[in-house]
Amino acid sequence: KNQVEQSPQSLIILEGKNCTLQCNYTVSPFSNLRWYKQDTGRGPVSLTIMTFSENTKSNGRYTATLDADTKQSSLHITASQLSDSASYICVVRKQTGANNLFFGTGTRLTVIP
Amino acid sequence: NAGVTQTPKFRVLKTGQSMTLLCAQDMNHEYMYWYRQDPGMGLRLIHYSVGEGTTAKGEVPDGYNVSRLKKQNFLLGLESAAPSQTSVYFCASGRPPGRLDTEAFFGQGTRLTVV
Repeated sequence: KNQVEQSPQSLIILEGKNCTLQCNYTVSPFSNLRWYKQDTGRGPVSLTIMTFSENTKSNGRYTATLDADTKQSSLHITASQLSDSASYICVVRKQTGANNLFFGTGTRLTVIP
Repeated sequence: NAGVTQTPKFRVLKTGQSMTLLCAQDMNHEYMYWYRQDPGMGLRLIHYSVGEGTTAKGEVPDGYNVSRLKKQNFLLGLESAAPSQTSVYFCASGRPPGRLDTEAFFGQGTRLTVV
């Protein structure tokens, strides 16, 4: 069964601290994995995409990793800011089929001053 | 570029009423999707379309109908609203699998309450 699991469900950190969000998946055959940021009351917006051959990719203070062998990904946020407060959703795309996007339930991050 | 636009943004319906949610995209994407998002759950696919004139059922299609008469528009209809359909609805569009650019672009969402 194609599944995407994220942990933790929620996280509260102090401004300026780092944090790491986890995503494990069983989607196969794997095409790519995206991390989306969803601000409250808004639609998800893509932060980064990881393909099979990529191990790490950075987008500013966001760094995503992918281990395609263990089917795990992480999103590391450095020097958190209040504006990082949002839900972070891991989305895995399958290679085949029209219905090929599989969503995690998200991690709700709250950054407090 | 407007991207993906959903209308309306908010709506309150009485049980049994009908309504249509409109999604419009200006990126010439082939694929369009309707999702619902409920607390503690990931986005769940209601219906999707791989091209003009075609639609298909997703994970939770019951109680909803869709139409894709034009490539840029994807309509989601509720014929007889039920309280269980209270949710936030997101439309998304994207390119087919195998293309280099496969990002799904999402609209802002429609918050629907059925009382």
